[in-house]
Amino acid sequence: NAGVMQNPRHLVRRRGQEARLRCSPMKGHSHVYWYRQLPEEGLKFMVYLQKENIIDESGMPKERFSAEFPKEGPSILRIQQVVRGDSAAYFCASSPMSGRAKNIQYFGAGTRLSVL
Amino acid sequence: SQQGEEDPQALSIQEGENATMNCSYKTSINNLQWYRQNSGRGLVHLILIRSNEREKHSGRLRVTLDTSKKSSSLLITASRAADTASYFCATDVTGGGNKLTFGTGTQLKVEL
Repeated sequence: NAGVMQNPRHLVRRRGQEARLRCSPMKGHSHVYWYRQLPEEGLKFMVYLQKENIIDESGMPKERFSAEFPKEGPSILRIQQVVRGDSAAYFCASSPMSGRAKNIQYFGAGTRLSVL
Repeated sequence: SQQGEEDPQALSIQEGENATMNCSYKTSINNLQWYRQNSGRGLVHLILIRSNEREKHSGRLRVTLDTSKKSSSLLITASRAADTASYFCATDVTGGGNKLTFGTGTQLKVEL
């Protein structure tokens, strides 16, 4: 059973370009979360999605950032017109809908975005 | 200060010693979790303690929760060099949905 898969692991973009980060949850998991981590800091919640629905996007910047989790395929975090301040590690986590582990989030290895 | 702050920020010990990290939070929680992060890697879930529990064990890990003081501690006994990592507490806040609020972490270094 593969864990949470994120790609790419490293992404370099120039200011003004778009960044697309992908996340495939663990098999059987229907909840996906995105977090951002700045250097030497803890993770900050961005968005929580279930299939085809955004449940909570209270941590997402109002502009340039969007997320989706389509019926088929991975969840995508999209950052338009990137700026240097977007440079960070972006982590995806997934959890099952029910069962003993429903409160536990399983994390991917992250995507490290560098904006030049 | 933010929900979920760990103390100390950094801890350096010798292999075989015990390591204790503390976490304080501000609001009512459903549960509190501890995660480990090795440098440049993702987070690994260690242990979850629910708001109605006071202590929990898992292998060399012991977690306590004091909801009256809004604090938790993580004890790693008989530490090993492989325990070197950053440790984060994360709270599942009551009424906050499923999102986790992370602290700033404790960097643990276990030296041979």
